[in-house]
Amino acid sequence: EAGVTQFPSHSVIEKGQTVTLRCDPISGHDNLYWYRRVMGKEIKFLLHFVKESKQDESGMPNNRFLAERTGGTYSTLKVQPAELEDSGVYFCASSRRGQEGYTFGSGTRLTVV
Amino acid sequence: QQPVQSPQAVILREGEDAVINCSSSKALYSVHWYRQKHGEAPVFLMILLKGGEQKGHDKISASFNEKKQQSSLYLTASQLSYSGTYFCQAPSGNTPLVFGKGTRLSVIA
Repeated sequence: EAGVTQFPSHSVIEKGQTVTLRCDPISGHDNLYWYRRVMGKEIKFLLHFVKESKQDESGMPNNRFLAERTGGTYSTLKVQPAELEDSGVYFCASSRRGQEGYTFGSGTRLTVV
Repeated sequence: QQPVQSPQAVILREGEDAVINCSSSKALYSVHWYRQKHGEAPVFLMILLKGGEQKGHDKISASFNEKKQQSSLYLTASQLSYSGTYFCQAPSGNTPLVFGKGTRLSVIA
């Protein structure tokens, strides 16, 4: 089966601009997660979808971040307007059920300059 | 509540063994272990659900103590390919899974 796909793989934007990251989970995986790793620091949870519903968005830093999963398939994470501290690697992961190993995408490296 | 990992970093020579610990002040529902190589996505290694459980594959195994407050990852006869950052991950409250800060493992020839 195809893995979790994320794009773009890299994005460099200026402070104040908007960026949209996309994640295509493994087909049939109802659970979709977004995580972020800032350089040299731990991987932080952002939010969790079950199908199209936001199950938990307690990790979203602020209202500049908007995640959607229309139709319960792919998900997008929009940052608007981007700030310097938003730089990092954004990982998406999916699982069929909650309590099983996640499959991670390769991540999107976001650099805000 | 984030699980606590130790050590933060370890350097091994090929063939040596290592143990990475993950602990919590409260009983965990489950523990997941991942390895992430530089520039790559975290890769799932295994999940432990039951107190007293032990499981593993090849030369990498893990245990979950009876109280479900500590898990250990065992790497035996390490190989160069084992290098990377190892994370434990566990549910925290209603949040599905949060990662520990990671243990950076470097295996040298």
